[in-house]
Amino acid sequence: GAGVSQSPSNKVTEKGKDVELRCDPISGHTALYWYRQSLGQGLEFLIYFQGNSAPDKSGLPSDRFSAERTGGSVSTLTIQRTQQEDSAVYLCASSLSRLSDTQYFGPGTRLTVL
Amino acid sequence: GQQLNQSPQSMFIQEGEDVSMNCTSSSIFNTWLWYKQEPGEGPVLLIALYKAGELTSNGRLTAQFGITRKDSFLNISASIPSDVGIYFCAGTYSGANNLFFGTGTRLTVIP
Repeated sequence: GAGVSQSPSNKVTEKGKDVELRCDPISGHTALYWYRQSLGQGLEFLIYFQGNSAPDKSGLPSDRFSAERTGGSVSTLTIQRTQQEDSAVYLCASSLSRLSDTQYFGPGTRLTVL
Repeated sequence: GQQLNQSPQSMFIQEGEDVSMNCTSSSIFNTWLWYKQEPGEGPVLLIALYKAGELTSNGRLTAQFGITRKDSFLNISASIPSDVGIYFCAGTYSGANNLFFGTGTRLTVIP
C-alpha cells in the first residue's frame, strides 16, 4: 500500500517568504508527527497530532512555525517569514495510533532559504 | 530536550567486517529504536526494543536494550555494500509524545 508522502520534495525560497509543506499519512493512521533534520544532525521533534486531540506543539522552535491537520488526515506545516536557519529537511511520520506503534516516515521536504 | 549521544559519528569499514555503534541517553527510556536512513529517504525502522536487557536480531543486525535503560547498541555482522547509510538510534519514555533521536552514525562499506 501507499506509504507516507510529502510535497514538495524540494523547496527553495527567499528569506522572509512563507512556505507550506504538505504531508499525506498512511491511510488509517491516527498519529502524525513532524520532525526537522538539519545537516549532519538527528531528527528534532516539532509537533504531534493524535486523532482529534489538541496537538502537542512543544517542539515548535518559534511562533513562526504552525501546523494543521485537516479531517484527521493531511497535515500542513507552515513556516512564516522564513529565516536561513530554517533550512533543513522536514520529515513527516505517521503511526497507527500511539507513539509505541511503528512510525513510518515520508521522504521529507528539503527546504533551502536563501 | 533529551540528549542522545551516538557514537561513532562515522565509520569506514571493509566489506565482510562487523560493525558496532552505540547510543546513550541522559534519562531512562522505556523504548529504544534503531533506524537506517538512505539519501533522499526518510528513516526506516530496523529494530525496536521494549524491555531492559532485551536482545533482538533482524537478519545480520542485533540490538540490545541496556540494563540501565540509558543505553543501547547496534551490531551489524558481515557487512555488505548495501549497508551503507546513516544509522540513528531513537528512544522515548513513558508520557512522551515523540521520539528523541541520536545524531547518527554514517557507515561506509568499502567493497
